[in-house]
Amino acid sequence: SAVISQKPSRDICQRGTSLTIQCQVDSQVTMMFWYRQQPGQSLTLIATANQGSEATYESGFVIDKFPISRPNLTFSTLTVSNMSPEDSSIYLCSVQGSGTEAFFGQGTRLTVV
Amino acid sequence: GEDVEQSLFLSVREGDSSVINCTYTDSSSTYLYWYKQEPGAGLQLLTYIFSNMDMKQDQRLTVLLNKKDKHLSLRIADTQTGDSAIYFCAEKGDSGAGSYQLTFGKGTKLSVIP
Repeated sequence: SAVISQKPSRDICQRGTSLTIQCQVDSQVTMMFWYRQQPGQSLTLIATANQGSEATYESGFVIDKFPISRPNLTFSTLTVSNMSPEDSSIYLCSVQGSGTEAFFGQGTRLTVV
Repeated sequence: GEDVEQSLFLSVREGDSSVINCTYTDSSSTYLYWYKQEPGAGLQLLTYIFSNMDMKQDQRLTVLLNKKDKHLSLRIADTQTGDSAIYFCAEKGDSGAGSYQLTFGKGTKLSVIP
């Protein structure tokens, strides 16, 4: 299994500011995924991040709002830009294991005030 | 789009069995997963089943899959208070090479009564 570390685990941010969330994996992975879990809701895929190419965003998510970096095979960042209270969510990083498993980080709980 | 449905709440007594149900619409689902989310934590992969299987058992966990009805269940035997959490059902469709997107249900909150 893959061990995924996310930082920060939680943060309270002022509206209009930006927060960058880091995701570190203990092994090299081709694809990394960023999900959002709004309060009381399920997980929604934001984007897929491949090393060496631009991230692929799902419908409803744009690069200007959620820029993603993927500098190497073990690390990725997601930035939540120009935050508003509607961005208050848990943001989760995920990777595909060597088989068919998908593993998740512990999440970043973001509150925008 | 594809959809995954779960009941939102389940309450059981400690020592009883819990059965969490899930239905999905994607007929091309290849793998189905169960995740556990404890308060303030990320998602922990509990188990998964390949779509050509109808049952998988792993210690206290039994997964049943009825592919015809697109129905998945997770049975937890001898439920303990530590099993209290939100359980997410997820499916992975067969959308071609490189398709790893999971579609999640809204989660079932399991409450275990001592």
